[in-house]
Amino acid sequence: LAKTTQPISMDSYEGQEVNITCSHNNIATNDYITWYQQFPSQGPRFIIQGYKTKVTNEVASLFIPADRKSSTLSLPRVSLSDTAVYYCLVGDKASGGSYIPTFGRGTSLIVHP
Amino acid sequence: DVKVTQSSRYLVKRTGEKVFLECVQDMDHENMFWYRQDPGLGLRLIYFSYDVKMKEKGDIPEGYSVSREKKERFSLILESASTNQTSMYLCASSLVRDTDMSGYTFGSGTRLTVV
Repeated sequence: LAKTTQPISMDSYEGQEVNITCSHNNIATNDYITWYQQFPSQGPRFIIQGYKTKVTNEVASLFIPADRKSSTLSLPRVSLSDTAVYYCLVGDKASGGSYIPTFGRGTSLIVHP
Repeated sequence: DVKVTQSSRYLVKRTGEKVFLECVQDMDHENMFWYRQDPGLGLRLIYFSYDVKMKEKGDIPEGYSVSREKKERFSLILESASTNQTSMYLCASSLVRDTDMSGYTFGSGTRLTVV
């Protein structure tokens, strides 16, 4: 059973705000919600993490409702350089009990001029 | 900054060859991971390791093995390369292994083509 569900792709235009929603209906009480960004020909890199309510940094904002069953990554005023794949992660336990990062397919965001 | 270095950016190998993909990290991280990335399938975990000489299978270990003789180095081995192993391979490392997923650092990837 997939831990997270997010749209496969999204399109936007420069200057617009982009919101990517991730569903994680089975999130555990102690799980964080973490987002990574991957540019073409690079490995993913961490952009934001939260537990509840709202988190903001210089790159993005993360909105988490009270039930924590979903989260929304918000990118303000996107530019062409925000074209990337965005991954939503929650805790995923390996058979030995330790947590491992499960990235899935992510959301491919294409920003148009 | 943590640096994860993958020894080759591009590799071309022949079917049946034994292939070694090397990954080195320089921040004394305990945990290391190998993923492969294919169009439409995202990142899939092949193997991971939480300590020297320790390894654990990920979601798609078939056709692969790993070696971790030193803490900083994690090697992915394709025992007999096949064309369906043509892919982008990504190595990652992290310090912690709890619910905090913010600390994973990736290499730039090795694009392997098996002909």
